[in-house]
Formats: sequence, structure tokens, C-alpha cells
Amino acid sequence: GAGVSQSPRYKVAKRGQDVALRCDPISGHVSLFWYQQALGQGPEFLTYFQNEAQLDKSGLPSDRFFAERPEGSVSTLKIQRTQQEDSAVYLCASSLAPGGYEQYFGPGTRLTVT
Amino acid sequence: GQQVMQIPQYQHVQEGEDFTTYCNSSTTLSNIQWYKQRPGGHPVFLIQLVKSGEVKKQKRLTFQFGEAKKNSSLHITATQTTDVGTYFCAGGGNQFYFGTGTSLTVIP
Repeated sequence: GAGVSQSPRYKVAKRGQDVALRCDPISGHVSLFWYQQALGQGPEFLTYFQNEAQLDKSGLPSDRFFAERPEGSVSTLKIQRTQQEDSAVYLCASSLAPGGYEQYFGPGTRLTVT
Repeated sequence: GQQVMQIPQYQHVQEGEDFTTYCNSSTTLSNIQWYKQRPGGHPVFLIQLVKSGEVKKQKRLTFQFGEAKKNSSLHITATQTTDVGTYFCAGGGNQFYFGTGTSLTVIP
């Protein structure tokens, strides 16, 4: 069965480069979340979409971070002018219902900024 | 802002011993969820609790939601090596706050 997929799985970027991370949620899932997980830490909320509407983006750490879900399915998290502190695993999760209920996570994208 | 703390941060147990992790929120939660993350893996949903005082069981795992809906616990009876991983509680609605996690090591 199709779960949540993310691409790329690994990304190395030089400081200052822009990156785009993709999330393919489970088909039909209304809610989509992005999280940032540093090594040894719990996932930190970044942003939440209900269908194509970005209902909460308060967790985005700076205006270099931008997320979209234009057709209510695939989502992209873009980071402009990457910094070393952006190095982390970026997790995407989706759930069938509105709000954060029973989330299914993708494998994550490990971003390393050199 | 909202904080969700878990204790202990690390726990080492002998296989067959019991294990408990506690989750405490600074604010009332509409629901609480528990996830397990194996080393190198991603969080996997275990269960959701919604009602005050709710208790749910999954085989050797018992989950409890506090009466005030600000705390929760996960208890594993007779741990096995397959229980190894980090257990996170999480709660919220449009924003979603994960706890700090408890890393469980089971010694065979």
C-alpha cells in the first residue's frame, strides 16, 4: 500500500543554496504537517495544511522557509539561502481528518548544509 | 508557548522488566497521541486518547490520559528487545507538539 513518500531522502547543500523538499501524502488525506527533527530531539512543528490551505505556519523558523500545497495533495518545503543550522531531518506527515489525528509519517529528508 | 515534557529522557531495562514513560503538558490537550520511533526510522503512530481519564491497552502496552488532560503515561509490561526505540507523546490540533521523548534500551 502507498504510504507517505518524501524526496529526496538525502540532500547535501552548500551554505547559501536553495533547496526544495517534496512530500507525497497518502491519497485522500486532508491534513499535512511538516516537522523538523534535529538529532536526538523530538519532531518540531513547522507548518500545517488542511487541503490546500496553510492554516498554521507559526513554526517556520524564518522567512527563508516556505511551504506550499497548491492542489491539496503534494507539498513542497522550500528553504532559501540555507544555513548550517538548517541541517536536520525534515519529516512530512499526513492524516485523513482535519487536525492532527493519527498522523502517518514519511521516511524524512536528511538535509546537510556544508 | 506550549511545552510537552517527558520523563525519563533515557531508560535502560533488562528484558522482561516493565517500563513507564510520563508525559506532561503545560496546557490542556484536546487529545494525546503516542508514537514510536526506531533508531534511524520515522515516528509510527501507536494510539490516540481523547477522553479525560481514558485508558487503552494494546497487548503489553497500556496508555492513560490524565483527568485534567494535561498528562499521560505509557506502560510496557515485560519488555522485549523489539520494544527498543524512542517513545513520543504528542498533542494539539492545528499545531502539533511532540514531547521530548523517552529513549528505551532493552538489555537481553
